[in-house]
Amino acid sequence: EPEVTQTPSHQVTQMGQEVILRCVPISNHLYFYWYRQILGQKVEFLVSFYNNEISEKSEIFDDQFSVERPDGSNFTLKIRSTKLEDSAMYFCASSGPGPNEKLFFGSGTQLSVL
Amino acid sequence: KQEVTQIPAALSVPEGENLVLNCSFTDSAIYNLQWFRQDPGKGLTSLLLIQSSQREQTSGRLNASLDKSSGRSTLYIAASQPGDSATYLCAVRVGSARQLTFGSGTQLTVLP
Repeated sequence: EPEVTQTPSHQVTQMGQEVILRCVPISNHLYFYWYRQILGQKVEFLVSFYNNEISEKSEIFDDQFSVERPDGSNFTLKIRSTKLEDSAMYFCASSGPGPNEKLFFGSGTQLSVL
Repeated sequence: KQEVTQIPAALSVPEGENLVLNCSFTDSAIYNLQWFRQDPGKGLTSLLLIQSSQREQTSGRLNASLDKSSGRSTLYIAASQPGDSATYLCAVRVGSARQLTFGSGTQLTVLP
């Protein structure tokens, strides 16, 4: 079964550093998402991406965050200057074009900001 | 703002028991509702998606129901097995926006 792939599985960085989290969505999907889950808290929506542009973003997704689809297969989340509170599990997801498509999630990148 | 609540937060049952997990949401204008399974350190796996016009969906031993007017959904697991042990999350999609709002989950343990 096709799956969403995320790399790396774990990322440790120093506060203030830039990080890039990478994802390969399912190949025929058109909608791409980033969610995050801080330890012990709910899964939170960050951003959705369609047709090479952001379609929705949450209040969390401020100017420190950006997303990109640099080629036909990868989807990245960049955090420009990491803060301690950015420590979380970051999940990439993708879905097909229909209005009632299931979301398929990757296994996540655990980001630890020291 | 949509709020999603799941009760109970944790549940422990002996193998073979049938069980019900509950999800409630504050804004009934949902587009659809999904139930996910999350295993420790892993991603989320979509189990069932119920469209707003549907009352229930079934997949194997799982049955999810939706009552939009009361803002409730239930996930029924029949004949539970130790392999069902995981955290179960419900998530709603509101209107034309594609973002999902998640509940905090129910951590299920099925004892052999």
